[in-house]
Amino acid sequence: EAGVAQSPRYKIIEKRQSVAFWCNPISGHATLYWYQQILGQGPKLLIQFQNNGVVDDSQLPKDRFSAERLKGVDSTLKIQPAKLEDSAVYLCASSKTGGSYEQYFGPGTRLTVT
Amino acid sequence: AQTVTQSQPEMSVQEAETVTLSCTYDTSESDYYLFWYKQPPSRQMILVIRQEAYKQQNATENRFSVNFQKAAKSFSLKISDSQLGDAAMYFCAYGETSGSRLTFGEGTQLTVNP
Repeated sequence: EAGVAQSPRYKIIEKRQSVAFWCNPISGHATLYWYQQILGQGPKLLIQFQNNGVVDDSQLPKDRFSAERLKGVDSTLKIQPAKLEDSAVYLCASSKTGGSYEQYFGPGTRLTVT
Repeated sequence: AQTVTQSQPEMSVQEAETVTLSCTYDTSESDYYLFWYKQPPSRQMILVIRQEAYKQQNATENRFSVNFQKAAKSFSLKISDSQLGDAAMYFCAYGETSGSRLTFGEGTQLTVNP
C-alpha cells in the first residue's frame, strides 16, 4: 500500500511570494489533514477535510493560507503572501473514517522563507 | 483547550537498556485517545502506539509499552531493549473523539548510544 505522498520536499522562497504544496493521501482514506511544524515544536493542525468538505480550519490563518481538496482525493495548501514566520515543515496526513484515529503522515515539505 | 506537555526535551539511553519518556496532558473530557509518534530525521511521523482512554489495560506493542494513569493525566512510553534505530524525536499526542484533531506535545529527542 502506497503511503501519503507530498511534493515538493523542499522549497525556498522570498517573503511576499506565493507557494503551493501538494498532497496525495492513502487510497481510500476519506480524511485529510494539513499540519504546520515549526522547528523545535510539535505539529499544529491547520485544516482537516472529510472527503472534499472542511471539518476544522480554526487554526488556519485565512488571510494568507488557503487549502482545497478537489474530488475528495488530492489536496493543495497555498500560502500567499508568505511571511518569514511561515518557515516550517508542512505535513500532510490521512486517515480512514469510521472512528479510526490512526493518522498516517507524509514526508513533509520543508519551507524556508527568506 | 487540550494541552500536552513533554517535560524532557532530550533523553539518552544505552543500547539494549530501557528508557521511559514522560507525557502529561490536560483535558476535561472523559473519552479520548492518546498516541506516541516517532519522527526520525527523515521527518516521516510514524505511529508507535495508541491508547484508548476507556481501556484500563496499558497498551503494548513489541518493545514499546505505555503507563497510562488517567486520574493523573499521565501517559509515559517505555522502550525496552533500546536499539540504534529507536533514535528519533518522540511526540506524545492527544486525540479527540468528537473529531479527529490531534494535539501534539513539544517532543523528546531520544539518543541511543552504542
